[in-house]
Amino acid sequence: NAGVTQTPKFQVLKTGQSMTLQCAQDMNHEYMSWYRQDPGMGLRLIHYSVGAGITDQGEVPNGYNVSRSTTEDFPLRLLSAAPSQTSVYFCASSSERLAGYETQYFGPGTRLLVL
Amino acid sequence: GENVEQHPSTLSVQEGDSAVIKCTYSDSASNYFPWYKQELGKRPQLIIDIRSNVGEKKDQRIAVTLNKTAKHFSLHITETQPEDSAVYFCAASIDSGTYKYIFGTGTRLKVLA
Repeated sequence: NAGVTQTPKFQVLKTGQSMTLQCAQDMNHEYMSWYRQDPGMGLRLIHYSVGAGITDQGEVPNGYNVSRSTTEDFPLRLLSAAPSQTSVYFCASSSERLAGYETQYFGPGTRLLVL
Repeated sequence: GENVEQHPSTLSVQEGDSAVIKCTYSDSASNYFPWYKQELGKRPQLIIDIRSNVGEKKDQRIAVTLNKTAKHFSLHITETQPEDSAVYFCAASIDSGTYKYIFGTGTRLKVLA
């Protein structure tokens, strides 16, 4: 299993540009989440999904959209990039059904710089 | 909403000494508490977790304790080694079907050789 994969690893955007951060998992996990990590602020939940077709907002959803058309994929879309969205983005997946509890596994992260 | 506070933000210990990191949570409905270790430039990795029906869990040099009444839980690392140097995050999850995790702000642990 590849686990949780993310692309790209690093991206530079100009203010106002849009882009999609890709996340995929091959563990058949029903739960997937997106976090952003900023210095001194830990990991903050952006959006999450409890299954295909079901998404919900986390702590900091503004400026981001998600969709979950399949169990495997959970892309994060930046609608109009702003310098405040400069961060490291982590995707994570988990499964209560398989493990009995919801341990999360993280992807390698995407480092985003918005100029 | 749920809030998780983590202390200290930085911690330096001599190799071989113990390290303790503490977290408090606000929502009494929280019932799952994982700890993650993140090395520089890497992804967070789960190192130990505890559920609310357990007071203590140990895995070799790492242990976690949970006090539900006081709503706090702690990570204990004994016989620290230089490779324990990293940022450690605590988190709390509400097992209500939402599976939302709230993370603490992290503790940078430095083990001095």
